[in-house]
Amino acid sequence: SQQGEEDPQALSIQEGENATMNCSYKTSINNLQWYRQNSGRGLVHLILIRSNEREKHSGRLRVTLDTSKKSSSLLITASRAADTASYFCATEPTGANNLFFGTGTRLTVIP
Amino acid sequence: EPEVTQTPSHQVTQMGQEVILRCVPISNHLYFYWYRQILGQKVEFLVSFYNNEISEKSEIFDDQFSVERPDGSNFTLKIRSTKLEDSAMYFCASTLGDNQPQHFGDGTRLSIL
Repeated sequence: SQQGEEDPQALSIQEGENATMNCSYKTSINNLQWYRQNSGRGLVHLILIRSNEREKHSGRLRVTLDTSKKSSSLLITASRAADTASYFCATEPTGANNLFFGTGTRLTVIP
Repeated sequence: EPEVTQTPSHQVTQMGQEVILRCVPISNHLYFYWYRQILGQKVEFLVSFYNNEISEKSEIFDDQFSVERPDGSNFTLKIRSTKLEDSAMYFCASTLGDNQPQHFGDGTRLSIL
């Protein structure tokens, strides 16, 4: 299976704290993308990191990629209650352009 | 900011009936996709479409499914004879090209009775 797996499955933190979510995958990839999904809603694209990149930032988001370990992490700094959602990693395998999604991390930020 | 739009937001259909889900991808995007998410499960790839033909499809995308780009803006998914297990959220996505972000619509919740 090429699908990513997120860890932890659920995370509960206080507002203002940082949240770290991890993703592992199994095959070589073109890129890895992180998405956010509010309950019952669509998938919002957060950030894409290519296989030749090691770290990317976007606002309060920081993503790292370690292709030797086939893993990625998403860090949300200074979390807010509005960050409460499920976060998914999705990998685009080498030679393909479709995405394989992980199981997601359910983040709850307590005000 | 341009976005992918999907209609309807919720579709209720009797088992055995045909259903068509509609999507308008972002206008300058070249690759189009359908994914589905059964309640409580992972998002699963169904099919990708480029240059007016299917480029990849998963095992889920059997003969009951078809896709079409009938004009310059719409992208549709048809399920010919729906089954109970087709109940899911169906997402359309589009991207500009290789190694680019895929942008998703808000989805169509399909309920088969």
